Amino acid sequence: ETGVTQTPRHLVMGMTNKKSLKCEQHLGHNAMYWYKQSAKKPLELMFVYNFKEQTENNSVPSRFSPECPNSSHLFLHLHTLQPEDSALYLCASSQEIGDGYTFGSGTRLTVV
Amino acid sequence: AQKITQTQPGMFVQEKEAVTLDCTYDTSDPSYGLFWYKQPSSGEMIFLIYQGSYDQQNATEGRYSLNFQKARKSANLVISASQLGDSAMYFCAMREGNRDDKIIFGKGTRLHILP
Repeated sequence: ETGVTQTPRHLVMGMTNKKSLKCEQHLGHNAMYWYKQSAKKPLELMFVYNFKEQTENNSVPSRFSPECPNSSHLFLHLHTLQPEDSALYLCASSQEIGDGYTFGSGTRLTVV
Repeated sequence: AQKITQTQPGMFVQEKEAVTLDCTYDTSDPSYGLFWYKQPSSGEMIFLIYQGSYDQQNATEGRYSLNFQKARKSANLVISASQLGDSAMYFCAMREGNRDDKIIFGKGTRLHILP
């Protein structure tokens, strides 16, 4: 375990479903991130939270909705997704923005 | 323009041989940091090694070393005495400017270690 826990590990959802991805860290880090990893593409930064405040939304469609209730938890709420949204979604945390990241194991999402 | 370029999509290497994974970067900022991460098939990203732009020495961490050639904007990862467990995706990443900047990742290189 890296210290960053993501659940579920795998998720299959229909295009009309609503689901949430969860990320939890107890490393005392102040920054948390959501990344999307598609096949043959670089890691794409989606959202950045610093001290629970969203500091970056990297032009992510509104069908992805992040939530950071406290500095240890980060959620990604999903609704009306498209098949091209199928990917590995990685959560990461760092002590401060720009420090080396600690990643979770990711959630493998398949949209059918 | 790509900030981080990893030109080797895949590599096959015999066990116990040394491996060099290429990474070039592009930045005009004199202050930056370079990272390498390993991603096994389990999906998690494991931090391997870090090199700061002002560091005089090449970074080393156990079997991992970073061949930092600043003038060429190159930050190759060298793995000595490769092991079967080294089979994974490897990502080069860069943080530009000060600590408030996010980290940008390359597309990765898939390394296969052959027995």
